[in-house]
Amino acid sequence: AQTVTQSQPEMSVQEAETVTLSCTYDTSESDYYLFWYKQPPSRQMILVIRQEAYKQQNATENRFSVNFQKAAKSFSLKISDSQLGDAAMYFCAYQYNDMRFGAGTRLTVKP
Amino acid sequence: DTGVSQDPRHKITKRGQNVTFRCDPISEHNRLYWYRQTLGQGPEFLTYFQNEAQLEKSRLLSDRFSAERPKGSFSTLEIQRTEQGDSAMYLCASSLESRSETQYFGPGTRLLVL
Repeated sequence: AQTVTQSQPEMSVQEAETVTLSCTYDTSESDYYLFWYKQPPSRQMILVIRQEAYKQQNATENRFSVNFQKAAKSFSLKISDSQLGDAAMYFCAYQYNDMRFGAGTRLTVKP
Repeated sequence: DTGVSQDPRHKITKRGQNVTFRCDPISEHNRLYWYRQTLGQGPEFLTYFQNEAQLEKSRLLSDRFSAERPKGSFSTLEIQRTEQGDSAMYLCASSLESRSETQYFGPGTRLLVL
C-alpha cells in the first residue's frame, strides 16, 4: 500500500530565511505524481507545486522548489525567502490512482 | 469565482441524524473526489467519480455513507445515522479526466456530531 510520511509535525522559520520540509513515500509504481499542498488556518487547500515521477528535473514555482529523489522515495519542499503568508499546514501527497496524503507539517514564520 | 464550491460550510447535527453535503466542481472537470480530514491529519480518500460513474470507494466509506453524481456535474455525500466519530472536515476536489491531473480542492464542510 502506498503511504506518505512527513516526519516533521512542526517547523519554524525566520522571515526571509529558507526552510525545507521533508516527505518520504512508499510505492511499487514507477509512474506517479507528487504534490505539495498548503492549507492556511480555516482556509482551503491550495496547490503549491507538483512533480511528475518520470521527470528527473526538480520542479520549481517562484520561491518554492522540490528535491525529488526517486530511488530514495523522497520529495522535500524548499521555501526560500519565507514570508509571513507562508504560515500554514503543508501536506505532501502521492497520486497514482487516488491521492494519499501525509499527516502534514505546521510551518510557523517568525517576523 | 469558478473554483470548487461546497455547501454547507458548517453543519452541526445530533447523533443518529442524517446529513447531506453538496459539492460543485470546476465546470469542465470530469473527475470529482471526496475526502475526510480529521483534526491534525491529512485528508483521507473516500471515493471518486468520473462523470456520473463512481469508480472507486475506500474501505473508510462504510454502508452509512453514500455518494452520488447523478448528471456528472455536482455531487452529494450523505451520511446516515451519524455517529460522533463522523465529526470531521469533508473535502471535495475536482480534476480533468486522467490520473495525472492536479486536483483542486473546495473549502470543505465541517461536520460536528453531538
